[in-house]
Amino acid sequence: DTEVTQTPKHLVMGMTNKKSLKCEQHMGHRAMYWYKQKAKKPPELMFVYSYEKLSINESVPSRFSPECPNSSLLNLHLHALQPEDSALYLCASSLGTDGEQYFGPGTRLTVT
Amino acid sequence: QKEVEQNSGPLSVPEGAIASLNCTYSDRGSQSFFWYRQYSGKSPELIMSIYSNGDKEDGRFTAQLNKASQYVSLLIRDSQPSDSATYLCAVNTDYKLSFGAGTTVTVRA
Repeated sequence: DTEVTQTPKHLVMGMTNKKSLKCEQHMGHRAMYWYKQKAKKPPELMFVYSYEKLSINESVPSRFSPECPNSSLLNLHLHALQPEDSALYLCASSLGTDGEQYFGPGTRLTVT
Repeated sequence: QKEVEQNSGPLSVPEGAIASLNCTYSDRGSQSFFWYRQYSGKSPELIMSIYSNGDKEDGRFTAQLNKASQYVSLLIRDSQPSDSATYLCAVNTDYKLSFGAGTTVTVRA
């Protein structure tokens, strides 16, 4: 089973709201990732967690705050977002940080 | 220079033909290479991974890697309308996955 789940599927939020995206995997993977994908563009890496520790932050603005409560869960906390942050947010996981990454279905975020 | 470059497409092939997708990468230290398929409105789906020079076949898909030329390719044999999608080349360098811009393939029935 190579399933990564993400909730919610869709999210509409105002610029002053606080919301969270959630990601879960039960494959025993020790690396988890957040990506952002704009329309007709490839995914862009935001954060990498390895063994529940943040190992890579690709200079993402502080209005995005990741959290890894345990080896199966990954959250992305959102606060004071801008309309240009509207995108598909993808979670992925892999056994190790150089292996095959499996993506969840994504959360389509619209900031109004 | 972009880290990962793909032939931009779009690529249109008749049903039953071979679709050929190419990708080059800039970092000689890159160690693992992947092809993802992404349907419109969906998330990327892993279809092939390759780690060493040569060919790797999986069903109708064949990936080829040439590290000396920093080149990765994907062949889709006996193309089907269901293969119509955007194909993303991805390269792992220093534990970060970088994607090419993608090649959109349309298989004509």
